[in-house]
Amino acid sequence: AQTVTQSQPEMSVQEAETVTLSCTYDTSESDYYLFWYKQPPSRQMILVIRQEAYKQQNATENRFSVNFQKAAKSFSLKISDSQLGDAAMYFCAYLLLSGGGADGLTFGKGTHLIIQP
Amino acid sequence: GAVVSQHPSWVICKSGTSVKIECRSLDFQATTMFWYRQFPKQSLMLMATSNEGSKATYEQGVEKDKFLINHASLTLSTLTVTSAHPEDSSFYICSARPGQNNSPLHFGNGTRLTVT
Repeated sequence: AQTVTQSQPEMSVQEAETVTLSCTYDTSESDYYLFWYKQPPSRQMILVIRQEAYKQQNATENRFSVNFQKAAKSFSLKISDSQLGDAAMYFCAYLLLSGGGADGLTFGKGTHLIIQP
Repeated sequence: GAVVSQHPSWVICKSGTSVKIECRSLDFQATTMFWYRQFPKQSLMLMATSNEGSKATYEQGVEKDKFLINHASLTLSTLTVTSAHPEDSSFYICSARPGQNNSPLHFGNGTRLTVT
């Protein structure tokens, strides 16, 4: 079974600074996706960024980027120029690709990100 | 973009009654939908995979007779919590994926269930 570990229950960062959220995962598979989802107080799950395991290049989406280390099974999220609206729970998630769309996401326990004004 | 609508957004029911939660994909067809449960300050846990036209696949430890899932069409899956008890109080979220496996999952807004 796949597991996703987020070792930081809570992180705090000053507005405009950079913060990195950690995520490691365990799998014996080679084809999978990794995701970071944001869950603000509204509880809506918002996709932040995703990474295909077969791609060596790290995904980026504006101020959000990942450091994907496949051999180390590490998938950290870097948020640059932190903004107050970034405050939320952040979940790292894994999806097995070979499931043909039949598999749900496996989530980590989440990291609560606090932005200090 | 792809939209998943979940209804109701919150519901309060008495212990012993049943509650139905609907999950609709508004602008795409979804042969597979997923139901998650999230307890306060915890992560999302996959409960079951809803398959259109066939039986749902339940995760280990999830009672299929308690959490009835029906996926009668390509745009609608329902989760019925039968004989609800206070420990069933939780946040239930559905998700669906348009198209192929490389499409991102889209989530409903969730349903907060409180059983009194």
